Amino acid sequence: AQTVTQSQPEMSVQEAETVTLSCTYDTSESDYYLFWYKQPPSRQMILVIRQEAYKQQNATENRFSVNFQKAAKSFSLKISDSQLGDAAMYFCALLGRSGGSNYKLTFGKGTLLTVNP
Amino acid sequence: GAVVSQHPSRVICKSGTSVKIECRSLDFQATTMFWYRQFPKQSLMLMATSNEGSKATYEQGVEKDKFLINHASLTLSTLTVTSAHPEDSSFYICSVAQGGPYGYTFGSGTRLTVV
Repeated sequence: AQTVTQSQPEMSVQEAETVTLSCTYDTSESDYYLFWYKQPPSRQMILVIRQEAYKQQNATENRFSVNFQKAAKSFSLKISDSQLGDAAMYFCALLGRSGGSNYKLTFGKGTLLTVNP
Repeated sequence: GAVVSQHPSRVICKSGTSVKIECRSLDFQATTMFWYRQFPKQSLMLMATSNEGSKATYEQGVEKDKFLINHASLTLSTLTVTSAHPEDSSFYICSVAQGGPYGYTFGSGTRLTVV
């Protein structure tokens, strides 16, 4: 089985500051992918960033970057220069085969990010 | 990524009736689609995997007879909540899998309220 743990139910950050959201995971597979999704109040799931497990280089998308520590099974998200529009629920997710033949996407419980003006 | 359209966005129905939710992949031939359920302030829970031309695969604890899934074409999957009851009220989200690093693209969700 694969699991994803987000230990921070809520986080807050001042506008223009940097915040890091934590995520740890567990899987017995060697082939998997990691994602951070954002869910604003509209509840539309939006892909923020993705990381292939076989890549050592940390993914970066503009103000968003990850710290992928494969041995520690850690996948944190750093948001730089936080903006009011970044306020949302953030879900860490793992895409893996979970022992079966089909890929399965497993989500963490989410971290609610508040951005203070 | 794929463009996914989900309809309706909101529906209110009476207890005992059935409700159908549609999920369309507009620009990608999706052999596999997924249906999730999300309770307020909680994470997404996978309900079932919809496979084009074959039976859906349901997660443990999900009632197959209550949540009927049909994936008749590469662009359309439907979820029918049969004999709905207030406890079925929730937010339902579909997604399309493009595989590998592309992950999933999600529909905009359907808020179901059973009264």
